[in-house]
Amino acid sequence: GNSVTQMEGPVTLSEEAFLTINCTYTATGYPSLFWYVQYPGEGLQLLLKATKADDKGSNKGFEATYRKETTSFHLEKGSVQVSDSAVYFCALKVDAGNMLTFGGGTRLMVKP
Amino acid sequence: EPEVTQTPSHQVTQMGQEVILRCVPISNHLYFYWYRQILGQKVEFLVSFYNNEISEKSEIFDDQFSVERPDGSNFTLKIRSTKLEDSAMYFCASKSQGAVEKLFFGSGTQLSVL
Repeated sequence: GNSVTQMEGPVTLSEEAFLTINCTYTATGYPSLFWYVQYPGEGLQLLLKATKADDKGSNKGFEATYRKETTSFHLEKGSVQVSDSAVYFCALKVDAGNMLTFGGGTRLMVKP
Repeated sequence: EPEVTQTPSHQVTQMGQEVILRCVPISNHLYFYWYRQILGQKVEFLVSFYNNEISEKSEIFDDQFSVERPDGSNFTLKIRSTKLEDSAMYFCASKSQGAVEKLFFGSGTQLSVL
């Protein structure tokens, strides 16, 4: 079956530090990959996506590259801000179905 | 930006009781979803709904669950006889016809079954 594994949190960083949140996946077929973010008190929001191998998704300074050879989609940001504090979810979708398969979420806490 | 609205934000109920979780999707959206997240576990897909019928559902979505779009704006999830293990955060989501993958999520309803 399909599954997503991401590093457990919380991840605590100082402002301007480099961020990596690891995500690996198992999927039948060729999935599309996503990162969603949930800020406190809000719903999940699409942060970025990649639909095929070697694609790089980027948004708001965050990046993730679809690595088929390592079945990974690690999230990175060069310099985090306090406002980036949130829970980050890695997810995949295969074929034309509507179902997203999520990882467990990683809480990021950025201290000033 | 338009948003998906869920009510209530918290719901406490006794085991065996029926609960209805309510969602108002974004007005021009056509695809509707429910997901849930049990504390400490992954966000799990429950059901998708399109053109007034269920288009896909997971193993979790058994006979105790039902969804309905009773009017042009609301999308509800009903649990007929709640169990302790139904305690979770329930997320509603919607997307438009043209948005292949961008789901808009509500902020969730925390259901606690006692």
